[in-house]
Amino acid sequence: DAGITQSPRYKITETGRQVTLMCHQTWSHSYMFWYRQDLGHGLRLIYYSAAADITDKGEVPDGYVVSRSKTENFPLTLESATRSQTSVYFCASSDSRIKATQYFGPGTRLTVL
Amino acid sequence: GENVEQHPSTLSVQEGDSAVIKCTYSDSASNYFPWYKQELGKRPQLIIDIRSNVGEKKDQRIAVTLNKTAKHFSLHITETQPEDSAVYFCAATDSWGKLQFGAGTQVVVTP
Repeated sequence: DAGITQSPRYKITETGRQVTLMCHQTWSHSYMFWYRQDLGHGLRLIYYSAAADITDKGEVPDGYVVSRSKTENFPLTLESATRSQTSVYFCASSDSRIKATQYFGPGTRLTVL
Repeated sequence: GENVEQHPSTLSVQEGDSAVIKCTYSDSASNYFPWYKQELGKRPQLIIDIRSNVGEKKDQRIAVTLNKTAKHFSLHITETQPEDSAVYFCAATDSWGKLQFGAGTQVVVTP
């Protein structure tokens, strides 16, 4: 589990500000994922990436931007934060696309005022 | 796309009793079904998974069953202990291999 980290762990920001959440993994996993977790909704996929420079939208991508210039990093940016983006954000990685365990980071609790 | 429904949303059991959580999925191409446990304030962690060519898998007090014909799978926890109290999520892969999660079950084990 220590192989995947997220920063910051807690963030408070204001509506309209840009925020970037960082995710770093040391396993050289090809696949990385961003989820948001809200009460009653479980884990919903925001964006995912199959390799460096390959990203795609998940279930709830609106208002978010991702990039993946290096295999180990997968930052998530909220270009103009809204209150509805208050959530806990989890990054995850796996070494295979099919039938592969996803390992989660510790999460970032984001509050948008 | 894949849709996973999970029941019940909350489950209260006496210590020592069994707990069962059920999930259904919609995509017949789904072939991997993991279960995650999330303790309060912590990250989800895999506790057991089952692949489509297996009907049942057991790991100590935890077991998972899969019925591909009916498109449902279940988590069984026997001899529950206070440390089993957590939120449990089921998931199923879509045709690409992405996981679709259920909404979660809050399990409370009372002494």
